[in-house]
Amino acid sequence: GQQVMQIPQYQHVQEGEDFTTYCNSSTTLSNIQWYKQRPGGHPVFLIQLVKSGEVKKQKRLTFQFGEAKKNSSLHITATQTTDVGTYFCAGLYGQNFVFGPGTRLSVLP
Amino acid sequence: GAVVSQHPSWVICKSGTSVKIECRSLDFQATTMFWYRQFPKQSLMLMATSNEGSKATYEQGVEKDKFLINHASLTLSTLTVTSAHPEDSSFYICSALRPGSGNEQYFGPGTRLTVT
Repeated sequence: GQQVMQIPQYQHVQEGEDFTTYCNSSTTLSNIQWYKQRPGGHPVFLIQLVKSGEVKKQKRLTFQFGEAKKNSSLHITATQTTDVGTYFCAGLYGQNFVFGPGTRLSVLP
Repeated sequence: GAVVSQHPSWVICKSGTSVKIECRSLDFQATTMFWYRQFPKQSLMLMATSNEGSKATYEQGVEKDKFLINHASLTLSTLTVTSAHPEDSSFYICSALRPGSGNEQYFGPGTRLTVT
């Protein structure tokens, strides 16, 4: 079946440092989504990438979709304490969503 | 923005009893809702896709007779955990697709189920 992997599992950074999480799929994706879940909260949609090689930016967040539509990345520039949480990618295979295991980000002030 | 609610937010029940969890889209109609299960510090595992007016589609390994899903209206889907056991204790989260927003999922706040 389809598998979505994410690395790293955990990341601890000092406030102001950059952070990147990577998402990889075993097969080609229709599209990929990114969600953020704060501790004790529920996932919140961040963005959806559809096109091969697509790059989208949201303030300090940069999202990329690989040319082969099998991988994606989320990069945060100059992290802040408000960035703390778990970042999940979710791959769409046909009509089914498969979530990656997530990357838990801690930001030390 | 789109709001999805869940009720109850937490529930404790005894082994062998059944528990119903409601998922409502408050400001939009959702023909498709999803039910996930999340263990502590782990990812979301899709249990089933709930389609209004039709039977739910269950993921492999999820017992449809144990996790009953009913999507009777465009704003409400329910998940009933029947004959609950301690291993059913988990965080259950629903999400809904809002028409016109593509595949963006709007998640409910989740329900913490503890079976004693």
